[in-house]
Amino acid sequence: AQSVTQLGSHVSVSEGALVLLRCNYSSSVPPYLFWYVQYPNQGLQLLLKYTSAATLVKGINGFEAEFKKSETSFHLTKPSAHMSDAAEYFCAVSVSGANSKLTFGKGITLSVRP
Amino acid sequence: DTEVTQTPKHLVMGMTNKKSLKCEQHMGHRAMYWYKQKAKKPPELMFVYSYEKLSINESVPSRFSPECPNSSLLNLHLHALQPEDSALYLCASSQGSGVEKLFFGSGTQLSVL
Repeated sequence: AQSVTQLGSHVSVSEGALVLLRCNYSSSVPPYLFWYVQYPNQGLQLLLKYTSAATLVKGINGFEAEFKKSETSFHLTKPSAHMSDAAEYFCAVSVSGANSKLTFGKGITLSVRP
Repeated sequence: DTEVTQTPKHLVMGMTNKKSLKCEQHMGHRAMYWYKQKAKKPPELMFVYSYEKLSINESVPSRFSPECPNSSLLNLHLHALQPEDSALYLCASSQGSGVEKLFFGSGTQLSVL
């Protein structure tokens, strides 16, 4: 069975600082990996996804993630945090190629300090 | 139109009530999903409809009854719920049933008294 691990529950950065949200996956077959963001009182929105093409994936709002098979990681980064980035971030994995088999991590809250 | 619209946004119901949640999309998507999300937790899949047919039921109690009247609409009928069913209920849709982008609605915040 596949799974993702997001260590910690909360990350706080200053506005303009680097954002790094960690995600490690476990899968016996090549995975599809995703990052979703959830703003308060909203549904989830797809930031980016890895589906076995380029290992460096660029998403919306200046976010990107790099698939590293040797480290079983798919960390999310953004060079410069903005106040509007404050939200809950979920890493997710699917190995069957189906949204119906998407497994979410527990999520991590990003706070941005002025 | 790239929205998934959910109504109502908030719902308070007693344990003996019957209520329904509604979800609508006009993107021509053929897969629709119901998720349950407790506070500070990830979403949990409940049901999947593919081409208007129920394809997945994640062992959800029968007090939750999904319905897909047509390709644009998805309902979740609620009856005899328990307080522990209080949660954010999210609807989502995707073009197909693969790993296409999931579009989520804003959810219905349900409180069961």
